[in-house]
Amino acid sequence: EAGVAQSPRYKIIEKRQSVAFWCNPISGHATLYWYQQILGQGPKLLIQFQNNGVVDDSQLPKDRFSAERLKGVDSTLKIQPAKLEDSAVYLCASSLQGHTDTQYFGPGTRLTVL
Amino acid sequence: RKEVEQDPGPFNVPEGATVAFNCTYSNSASQSFFWYRQDCRKEPKLLMSVYSSGNEDGRFTAQLNRASQYISLLIRDSKLSDSATYLCVVSSSGTYKYIFGTGTRLKVLA
Repeated sequence: EAGVAQSPRYKIIEKRQSVAFWCNPISGHATLYWYQQILGQGPKLLIQFQNNGVVDDSQLPKDRFSAERLKGVDSTLKIQPAKLEDSAVYLCASSLQGHTDTQYFGPGTRLTVL
Repeated sequence: RKEVEQDPGPFNVPEGATVAFNCTYSNSASQSFFWYRQDCRKEPKLLMSVYSSGNEDGRFTAQLNRASQYISLLIRDSKLSDSATYLCVVSSSGTYKYIFGTGTRLKVLA
C-alpha cells in the first residue's frame, strides 16, 4: 500500500517569498492533517480536514498560512509571505476516518527561510 | 505548563540495557495515548498505543497512570536500532487532536 506522499522534499526561499507544499494521503483516508515540526520540538497541528471540510485550524496563522483540500483528496499548504521563523519540517498525515484511527505521516517538506 | 511534557534526553545506554521514559500530561480528560518513534530526518511512525491496562509488544511495554497523569515506555534488551526519538502523544478530549511532546532522544551504544 502506498504511503502518504509529499512534495517537494526540500525548499529554500528568502523571507517574504511565497511557497506551497503538496500532500497526497493514503487512498481512502478521509482525514488529512498538516503539522509543523520545528527542530527539537514535537509536531504541532496546523490544520485538520475531514474530507474537504476543515475540522480544526485553530493553530494555523491565518494571516500568512492557507490550506485547501479540494475534492477531499490532495491538499496544498501555502505560506505567503514567509518569515524566518517558518523554517521547519511540514508534515502531512492521514487517517482512515478521524481521531480514533492511527495517523500515518508522509516524509515531510523541509523548509528553510533565509 | 505544557500540555505534554517529556525529558528531551539524550538517554545514552549500552546495548542490552533496559531503559524507561515517562511522559506527563496536563489534561485529566485526555482520552487516548500513543508512543511514536521518529528517526533522524524521518517522519514519526506509530510504535504503540497505550491502554489503561498496559500493553506489551515484544521488548516494548507501555503503561498508563491516569491518577498521576503520566504514561511510560519501557524498552528491554536495547538494540542499536532502537536509537531514535520517542514522541509521546496525547489525544485531547473534545477535539481529539494529537498533542505531541517534544520527544525523548535515545542513543544505544555498542
